[in-house]
This record gives sequence, C-alpha cells and structure tokens, in this order.
Amino acid sequence: GENVEQHPSTLSVQEGDSAVIKCTYSDSASNYFPWYKQELGKRPQLIIDIRSNVGEKKDQRIAVTLNKTAKHFSLHITETQPEDSAVYFCAASEGKLIFGQGTELSVKP
Amino acid sequence: ETGVTQTPRHLVMGMTNKKSLKCEQHLGHNAMYWYKQSAKKPLELMFVYSLEERVENNSVPSRFSPECPNSSHLFLHLHTLQPEDSALYLCASSQDHGGQGAANTGELFFGEGSRLTVL
Repeated sequence: GENVEQHPSTLSVQEGDSAVIKCTYSDSASNYFPWYKQELGKRPQLIIDIRSNVGEKKDQRIAVTLNKTAKHFSLHITETQPEDSAVYFCAASEGKLIFGQGTELSVKP
Repeated sequence: ETGVTQTPRHLVMGMTNKKSLKCEQHLGHNAMYWYKQSAKKPLELMFVYSLEERVENNSVPSRFSPECPNSSHLFLHLHTLQPEDSALYLCASSQDHGGQGAANTGELFFGEGSRLTVL
C-alpha cells in the first residue's frame, strides 16, 4: 500500500520568509496530492491540490510542485504571515488518501 | 457553519463505558469517513462509507463500531476502550468515494472533531 513521508516535522520561519515542506510517496499509481492546513483546535482544511498530469500549481502565496519520476511533491509558501502558523498535512491517493505525519509551521513576527 | 458537525466535542469515559460519537453532514455528499488523529502521528483512516455501505475497514479493533443509517449521518460506537484510544476523532465527507484503483474524486470536508479521553 501507499506510504507517505513528510519533512520536516517542525519548521520555524521569520515573517516574510518562504517555507517549504516536502513529501515523498511510494505508490507510483497515486494520482492525487492534496495539502491540508490545520490551525490549533480547528479542523483540517484543503488549501491546494495537484493531480498527476500537472507539474506545478499556484494559488496566490502557495504553490505545489510534483515530481512523478522521483515520487515527491512539495508545498511552497512565500511571504509567510503569522496566520500561516498551523500544522500542514500532505496526502497521496490512488483512491484512498494516505496522509503524511504533518509539519508544524511557526511564523514569528 | 453547517458543513460537517460532530458531537460531542469532548468526551471522557472509563474503560467499561459505552458511548457514541455522532457526525452529520449537510453537503449532500455520498461518502463519509472516520479518522483518528493522535499526537505526532498521521491521520489514520478508520472507516469509509459510500452510499451508506461500508467500503473500508482498516483493521480497526472491534471495540469501535461504525454505523451509517443514511448518507447524512455517521456514528462511531465505543465500547470497552483502552487509554491508548484517547485521541481526536475526525469525521469527514466527500462528494464521492473513488475506492481503491479509481481516481480520487477530491476534497475531504472535515468536522471539528471529538476529543476522546479514556481513563
């Protein structure tokens, strides 16, 4: 079955800096890669997703890149703000979503 | 907010108690899910229901018993739990469930979760 590894587990950046979170997956049949953001005490919410026929997708300050050959994908957040502080989860799916372990991002003002 | 609602938000129970978690979705979705979220661990899929039929049971102990009476409601019945079962239990829904081998059909909408503590 699918296995998703996510790094780093914690990430601290200064406001305005960029943040990058990386995930690898094991099942080459996976074709859907969403990212969820979970603020403290809140529910996880989808922030961006990418399908396997696309190499990059951008939505304002967030972008996701996918390298199918290497089986890894990354979340990029530019111009970070304190409200970006949260736990971010990547996931991979070829039918069933398998989540990574999560990255706790802290943006210091 | 009327998307996916879970009750209770917090539950403390002894190992011999029987309790239930409830989830309701107002999105017209066909698939509903139970996930377990423990500290420092990935979200663990427990059960999947598609059109009220259970389509996945990820080797969950029998002390957890799901019930899906209709496409809008999902329950998780709890009986004789262990302290290691203490966690946040998240319900989610999606428009459809693709199933293994099929293209995933998209976004999961999560509830706020039920924080369970087993003493």
